[in-house]
Amino acid sequence: EVQLVESGGGLIQPGGSLRLSCAASGFTVSSNYMSWVRQAPGKGLEWVSVIYSGGSTFYADSVKGRFTISRDDSRNTLYFQMNSLRAEDTAVYYCARGSTVTNWLDPWGQGTLVTVSS
Amino acid sequence: EIVLTQSPATLSLSPGERATLSCRASQSVSSNLAWYQQKPGQAPRLLIYDASNRATGIPARFSGSGSGTDFTLTISSLEPEDFAVYSCHQRANWPWTFGQGTKVEVK
Repeated sequence: EVQLVESGGGLIQPGGSLRLSCAASGFTVSSNYMSWVRQAPGKGLEWVSVIYSGGSTFYADSVKGRFTISRDDSRNTLYFQMNSLRAEDTAVYYCARGSTVTNWLDPWGQGTLVTVSS
Repeated sequence: EIVLTQSPATLSLSPGERATLSCRASQSVSSNLAWYQQKPGQAPRLLIYDASNRATGIPARFSGSGSGTDFTLTISSLEPEDFAVYSCHQRANWPWTFGQGTKVEVK
């Protein structure tokens, strides 16, 4: 069964750093693309980053230069290093896999909440 | 950035009724559009991809249509478990974007 489990969220002060992890099972994280999508409380979904199987990465302007997506193939885990955090980064962060069948985000993990507040 | 505008924001219907949700793109995305369903406290679930293809395990009452800038998600007869938020998503251009969502609620 394909499964994604995020961890690493929590309460962090503005300007701080946090690293999210997304442990994958039932497939290899390098088999297709992997992405992070966030959802602020009561708001819609916002795509933030993607890493392709070849290692290419892309970011939304809102996080470019502050956040870094990476993966560890030996641990079959996706990461999201978030630096210089701001209040507007407060959201549930989901990792999602680019399905090798549909080539769209499917499935998604259950999400991890990041709260940026003093 | 391609802006996806969904309408209506909220759709109040009864079980058994037909739901028609719209997603309009600010520029053409061809058929590079998907629909997701999200229930409270849950992750989004892929329903429709490439504008009109049902994902694995999605009931036939869900259908998608459209191309270019205008897309429609139709639920032919609402079941109790279909009351949720539906979001469209494009990956035709960077950055990828989502619509703001349509909430289908019980009337």
